[in-house]
This record gives sequence, C-alpha cells and structure tokens, in this order.
Amino acid sequence: QKEVEQNSGPLSVPEGAIASLNCTYSDRGSQSFFWYRQYSGKSPELIMSIYSNGDKEDGRFTAQLNKASQYVSLLIRDSQPSDSATYLCAVNEGGATNKLIFGTGTLLAVQP
Amino acid sequence: GAVVSQHPSWVICKSGTSVKIECRSLDFQATTMFWYRQFPKQSLMLMATSNEGSKATYEQGVEKDKFLINHASLTLSTLTVTSAHPEDSSFYICSAPFPAGESDTQYFGPGTRLTVL
Repeated sequence: QKEVEQNSGPLSVPEGAIASLNCTYSDRGSQSFFWYRQYSGKSPELIMSIYSNGDKEDGRFTAQLNKASQYVSLLIRDSQPSDSATYLCAVNEGGATNKLIFGTGTLLAVQP
Repeated sequence: GAVVSQHPSWVICKSGTSVKIECRSLDFQATTMFWYRQFPKQSLMLMATSNEGSKATYEQGVEKDKFLINHASLTLSTLTVTSAHPEDSSFYICSAPFPAGESDTQYFGPGTRLTVL
C-alpha cells in the first residue's frame, strides 16, 4: 500500500514568517510530486510540481525534494493571511494509471 | 494551467432520485479523468478512474452500480449518483491530467456539492 503522510496541523505562523510544510512518501520509485492548496469549501488548486532532487522556486513558494529520504516539502515565504488553507501533498502512483496518492493535508493558519 | 469545469456547482435532490454531474476539460483532451469525493473536514477520496471509450475503473469499496461513470468523448465525463440517499451528500470533484513538464499534471474542476434530503 503506497502512502503519503503529512502532519495534519494546524500549523500556525505569524504574518510575514516562513511556513514549512512537510510530506513523506512510501514508494521509493515515485517520480512526480505535487503540492496543492485547498481553501475551505473549494477544490484543490495546483501550486507546484517537482520531479528532481533539490529546490524549485516559484514566487514565494519553494518546493524541496529529497528522493533518498523520500521527503518533499513546501516553503512559503512572507506568509500572508490569504495563504491560510489546507495544503495537500500528492505523489503520482506511476505506471499507466496516472493516479495521484494524496496525503491528508496540513492546515495552515497565518495569523495577522 | 489547464481548465476543468464541472456542472452543476451545487445540487439539492430528494432521496431516491438520480443526479448527474458533468466534468469537462475545456482546452485540452483527456482520455482519463478522475472522480473524487470529499466529506467535510476529510481528505480527498478517489472513487474511480474514467476512461474514454471504455469502462471506468472503480476503487475498492465504491459501488459501480450506484456511481455510474460515462466518458463518451475526450472532453466530457459524467458521474451519475443513482438512487441518492442522504449519506451520499458530499463534495464531488473531478480532475483531468494535462501534459506539463516531466509528467502529466492533474487539474481539478471546481467541484459539485450534492445535498440529498
């Protein structure tokens, strides 16, 4: 059973701080990793994808991947109250299915 | 990014009736689409994979006769909740993979909130 694990939170950070969200996965052969943001009552929206070890930056967001440790993280710099949401880590199951395996999500609360 | 739409965005129905939800990929073709269900304060649960021109693949525990999926074209998949009951009330979300970067990236529709009275 392939699994993706996240701390459910809530993770509370003050406005302007860096929020660090973490995720581990069980399948060492996984190749594609995604972070989605889901506001309450809304569907998930893609924030970033990452495929190679190291960092990938997009604006205030940085995804980090370490395949040896089976670990992927998302850093949000200069956190804003509007970043308050549930952040979902997803791993492509691989093969022909294209299915994503989701973590349970981490609830982030940015305090003004 | 790619755009996926759903219709309706919300629906209220009486117990015992059937409800059809549409999922469309607006600017790309999708040979597969995915249907999820999400109960309040819970994580996404994959219900089934919709395959264009063939039968859907259902996840374990999902009743295929209750949740009918049809993927008749490369841009449209439908989910029909048959004989809906209050316990079927949930947030139903579809997604479609779009080629981007090194692998397909799934984009989600806005979801359909179903309330069964």
